Amino acid sequence: DAGVTQSPTHLIKTRGQQVTLRCSPKSGHDTVSWYQQALGQGPQFIFQYYEEEERQRGNFPDRFSGHQFPNYSSELNVNALLLGDSALYLCASSLRRYNQPQHFGDGTRLSIL
Amino acid sequence: AQKITQTQPGMFVQEKEAVTLDCTYDTSDPSYGLFWYKQPSSGEMIFLIYQGSYDQQNATEGRYSLNFQKARKSANLVISASQLGDSAMYFCAMKGSGAGSYQLTFGKGTKLSVIP
Repeated sequence: DAGVTQSPTHLIKTRGQQVTLRCSPKSGHDTVSWYQQALGQGPQFIFQYYEEEERQRGNFPDRFSGHQFPNYSSELNVNALLLGDSALYLCASSLRRYNQPQHFGDGTRLSIL
Repeated sequence: AQKITQTQPGMFVQEKEAVTLDCTYDTSDPSYGLFWYKQPSSGEMIFLIYQGSYDQQNATEGRYSLNFQKARKSANLVISASQLGDSAMYFCAMKGSGAGSYQLTFGKGTKLSVIP
């Protein structure tokens, strides 16, 4: 039973560039959430997707956008990269039912030069 | 809005001993869920244990138990018989039931080091 998979594992970009991160949810899960984790901090919620719609968004600018596909996989896009976007980006999947635990992938470590 | 506070930046425990990691929370939602996650240095977040606000008994999962004191708004994680592989960051998180209840709100974490 495959867990949450994310790609790529590591990514290096320069300021102003755009990046796309990918996530495949755990088998049977229909909801995908994205989190940003800066060094030494807890994860911060970016947004959540369900039925291909953004269901909730955290306090992140419009430079951060996402998509969910019919097979429940998801992408996170970040435009006009800033140095402060350097972080570990975590994808989590879950079932829609209330208080089902979110299961996380290994993350994508994004470095901005 | 939810808030999670973890006041122990780092903890040390001797192998085979028990350790308690503290977590307090704040929310105005009538029902909510509390979660603990483990994050090894490799980065993945591993779900450990869940406690619902209306659950009558404290949650247990193997060597992990959650000491839930609703009146004090605390949800401490107890790890029994610590192992070297328990060395990691531990995060307490919660999810509410009101508007914006889809997200997990995390604390800053506690770094646990198990000493041989």
